[in-house]
Amino acid sequence: NAGVTQTPKFQVLKTGQSMTLQCAQDMNHEYMSWYRQDPGMGLRLIHYSVGAGITDQGEVPNGYNVSRSTTEDFPLRLLSAAPSQTSVYFCASRSQGNTEAFFGQGTRLTVV
Amino acid sequence: AQKVTQAQTEISVVEKEDVTLDCVYETRDTTYYLFWYKQPPSGELVFLIRRNSFDEQNEISGRYSWNFQKSTSSFNFTITASQVVDSAVYFCALSEAPGNQFYFGTGTSLTVIP
Repeated sequence: NAGVTQTPKFQVLKTGQSMTLQCAQDMNHEYMSWYRQDPGMGLRLIHYSVGAGITDQGEVPNGYNVSRSTTEDFPLRLLSAAPSQTSVYFCASRSQGNTEAFFGQGTRLTVV
Repeated sequence: AQKVTQAQTEISVVEKEDVTLDCVYETRDTTYYLFWYKQPPSGELVFLIRRNSFDEQNEISGRYSWNFQKSTSSFNFTITASQVVDSAVYFCALSEAPGNQFYFGTGTSLTVIP
């Protein structure tokens, strides 16, 4: 099983550019989330979804959009990249019942 | 307010020493779940343990053990006879209801010196 797959692994953007971080899971999990990890701040929730067609904001949603058209995919869109969005981004999925979350390998994004 | 506090930012120990990583959480829910994850230098997040609020039994898995105390809202993690491979950042996390998202602590960076 592939688990949670994130692409790309590395990305450099110029300020103002837009891009989409891809996330796919093959475990039929209902819940999917995006986190960003910054030094000294742990992982902070950006957006999450409890099922196809349902999304909601997390702690730091500004500058990001998400959609969940299928159970498997949960892309994260940066609308107009800013240097403050330089971070490592993790996608996670989990099933119902408060099981552990499974994380992708992360995407290291640099905005210059 | 910070829901999960890991006060120890960095810890260094010499190989074979025991080390305890502290985690204090805050919640008003009576049903909640606590987790520990390991992030080695390669960057991935590795699940270590889950504990629900109704189960205060301590758990031991090899050199790892966890002490859950509701009275002090703590869920501490001890590594016995540490090894160099234990060097990583360790995160404690809280989930407050079925399906709700995780609140992570800021992590403790553990370095085990050979």
